Amino acid sequence: DAKTTQPPSMDCAEGRAANLPCNHSTISGNEYVYWYRQIHSQGPQYIIHGLKNNETNEMASLIITEDRKSSTLILPHATLRDTAVYYCIVLTGNQFYFGTGTSLTVIP
Amino acid sequence: DAGVTQSPTHLIKTRGQHVTLRCSPISGHKSVSWYQQVLGQGPQFIFQYYEKEERGRGNFPDRFSARQFPNYSSELNVNALLLGDSALYLCASSRTVVLETQYFGPGTRLLVL
Repeated sequence: DAKTTQPPSMDCAEGRAANLPCNHSTISGNEYVYWYRQIHSQGPQYIIHGLKNNETNEMASLIITEDRKSSTLILPHATLRDTAVYYCIVLTGNQFYFGTGTSLTVIP
Repeated sequence: DAGVTQSPTHLIKTRGQHVTLRCSPISGHKSVSWYQQVLGQGPQFIFQYYEKEERGRGNFPDRFSARQFPNYSSELNVNALLLGDSALYLCASSRTVVLETQYFGPGTRLLVL
């Protein structure tokens, strides 16, 4: 079962930062937080992951709270191509358990 | 570099038939996982294989089986198809099994009539 809670949908204006929240209040100390996105029934695309520290790559930034009970994925300058379903996942053992994700719509 | 590849891309079967889906992992990846995604839901874990051995199984009936070959490619088999098996079947590969990022293929869209 998914160990995360995400809002079902969000809108963001093109060019603005998209901030996608995720709650994972039951996360254990050695469990990673992963983010994937899925564009129109294509295969999920890896975005970023982290354990305790904030992480940044060419796609996004991941902010994890100090108590690790929640995190935020930040897309710094959203484009129309960022419209997708975003999944926040806690890696439990070897397997990924997906929830229903957040459907992000970037508006022109 | 080639990503994860899956075949076929689309498939139509009738109830009671059998289906085999195929997956080739990223070069150098030794683990393959299979997921089922029905419309409107997130992917659900079915199997994970590493070095030809099953390392994890989700809550799916015995009609679902899989195997991994020496070249690390994998097959997912589903027997006695039901209408509810209609879904997007995703394959993901990773280098190993422990705390590894998984990279997904484009999926096989199965329709059972």
